[in-house]
Amino acid sequence: EAQVTQNPRYLITVTGKKLTVTCSQNMNHEYMSWYRQDPGLGLRQIYYSMNVEVTDKGDVPEGYKVSRKEKRNFPLILESPSPNQTSLYFCASSLYRNSGNTIYFGEGSWLTVV
Amino acid sequence: AQTVTQSQPEMSVQEAETVTLSCTYDTSENNYYLFWYKQPPSRQMILVIRQEAYKQQNATENRFSVNFQKAAKSFSLKISDSQLGDTAMYFCAFMKFGAGSYQLTFGKGTKLSVIP
Repeated sequence: EAQVTQNPRYLITVTGKKLTVTCSQNMNHEYMSWYRQDPGLGLRQIYYSMNVEVTDKGDVPEGYKVSRKEKRNFPLILESPSPNQTSLYFCASSLYRNSGNTIYFGEGSWLTVV
Repeated sequence: AQTVTQSQPEMSVQEAETVTLSCTYDTSENNYYLFWYKQPPSRQMILVIRQEAYKQQNATENRFSVNFQKAAKSFSLKISDSQLGDTAMYFCAFMKFGAGSYQLTFGKGTKLSVIP
């Protein structure tokens, strides 16, 4: 079954404690990206990757890091989380840039920073 | 940079009636995709319908159809015969395609309630 898997799904953490949200896809997709969803703001892109070792900033990259060492994995790293990073996070993947209908989303990760 | 505007934060419709959700976008690109995504209370992102900008014909998926006006940069979603399961947040999204970019820009969403 085609899947984008995020972990953890729910997390409460404290300010400043480094955390990583993992994202893995089993479809051999080149493109992967991270979004955060906040009330009244829709989904905003944090980072995206067009292939292994190729990453670029989206609209709201501050406070986040990513890496793409393997094609299937695209972890989101919060080096020093702050309360304004409390949000719902989505990972997504796509086969190639022109296939607008094959964007697969993970189920979301609820992150609370206190 | 592209922007996507959904001017209706909330809407409601009676069951079995028709409702139209508005979306406008701003871009200088000529080649792009437009999407409508549905997000039910489970928060899952579900693709409802997509439209390629180079296609003049409006996309249709069962009860869902779009009115794509490229010159006006408008992309509205019409839901016919509304059902209780259509209650959700609906997001309009824009993606340009071309070398070196993979950016998907979302509107802020419209919360649709279908009333029995």
